[in-house]
Amino acid sequence: SQQGEEDPQALSIQEGENATMNCSYKTSINNLQWYRQNSGRGLVHLILIRSNEREKHSGRLRVTLDTSKKSSSLLITASRAADTASYFCATDSTGANNLFFGTGTRLTVIP
Amino acid sequence: GAVVSQHPSWVICKSGTSVKIECRSLDFQATTMFWYRQFPKQSLMLMATSNEGSKATYEQGVEKDKFLINHASLTLSTLTVTSAHPEDSSFYICSATIPGQFTEAFFGQGTRLTVV
Repeated sequence: SQQGEEDPQALSIQEGENATMNCSYKTSINNLQWYRQNSGRGLVHLILIRSNEREKHSGRLRVTLDTSKKSSSLLITASRAADTASYFCATDSTGANNLFFGTGTRLTVIP
Repeated sequence: GAVVSQHPSWVICKSGTSVKIECRSLDFQATTMFWYRQFPKQSLMLMATSNEGSKATYEQGVEKDKFLINHASLTLSTLTVTSAHPEDSSFYICSATIPGQFTEAFFGQGTRLTVV
């Protein structure tokens, strides 16, 4: 299976704290993407990092990529209650966007 | 950003019937669309890649005769769950990408299928 793994599976933090989620994958990649999913809804793209990049920022999001370890992390700073959702990493091996998703992290931000 | 619309958002059907789910790219043409399946509290599993004007490419373990995919135009792909059974109950999500732009995928809002 090409599915990646994420940890933790669930994370509960207080508003204002930072949240870190980790993703490990198995195959070589063209890029890695992070998505957010509210319960029972579609996915919203957060950030894409290419295989030749090591770190990327977007607003309160910071993503790192270590291709030697086949791992990535997503950091959400100064979390808000509205950040409560499931977060998935997804790998794209070819650049064609047939994505293989990680197992996901369910984040709960307590107001 | 680009918009992908999926219809219906939910459907309940009887065992043995077929259900069609539509995925439309509203403001761009998509030569390729993707279909995923998601069980409760689990991740998305890629089912197949839908190619405009040609046969879909199915992932290992996905029955192509069970899940019929048609991508007849540059803005529409359909997934038909044939002879549905309760174990087919799931959340089905499609995605599309803008041709030539190797950026993110745009996802539909998903369809919750319940087979009774």
